Amino acid sequence: DQQVKQNSPSLSVQEGRISILNCDYTNSMFDYFLWYKKYPAEGPTFLISISSIKDKNEDGRFTVFLNKSAKHLSLHIVPSQPGDSAVYFCAASGSGGSNYKLTFGKGTLLTVNP
Amino acid sequence: GAGVSQSPSNKVTEKGKDVELRCDPISGHTALYWYRQRLGQGLEFLIYFQGNSAPDKSGLPSDRFSAERTGESVSTLTIQRTQQEDSAVYLCASSLGALLEQFFGPGTRLTVL
Repeated sequence: DQQVKQNSPSLSVQEGRISILNCDYTNSMFDYFLWYKKYPAEGPTFLISISSIKDKNEDGRFTVFLNKSAKHLSLHIVPSQPGDSAVYFCAASGSGGSNYKLTFGKGTLLTVNP
Repeated sequence: GAGVSQSPSNKVTEKGKDVELRCDPISGHTALYWYRQRLGQGLEFLIYFQGNSAPDKSGLPSDRFSAERTGESVSTLTIQRTQQEDSAVYLCASSLGALLEQFFGPGTRLTVL
């Protein structure tokens, strides 16, 4: 039973345009959400996070939006660059003593075309 | 400073053999995690070490899997009597504390024939 879902396995956008990656979750106990970026043959690297007390967090070209009522979050990349081409994983953790455990989605492969 | 390193980068083994995977966390990181990523899947949590506390082994899929960590340094993940379904990329991560950003190693790709 997938608690974190990334329903789009891949996304292709043109350089300079906006990339929107989506993520849905089912566990209402999740209260912290993260996006990781992964290049081939490398481990995932942390990109941006958001706590459930916020609905938006911005860091340069990257913005994460959280809609708690819909149990949905999205990552916006503006403007997209070819170097952004990678697999993006959405992850979530819950409150309580085991909030170090991250539950990951399957990832979305983003391709930014020059 | 070096990042998280893992060895070997690739391991091919025959069904039924034991394998040992190694993780060197970032120096000073007290927390260490093991994850598994099967083909086409997200990362699955396996085990968590924090300082001298008892590890959280709740993600280990069977008793064929075990892991050790000496103090706040190297960790080894051992899989006994490997099965084909154990084929995956095994990723290690470390963090300064339990609630802080996890830094991942490049992973070990395990193939069980």
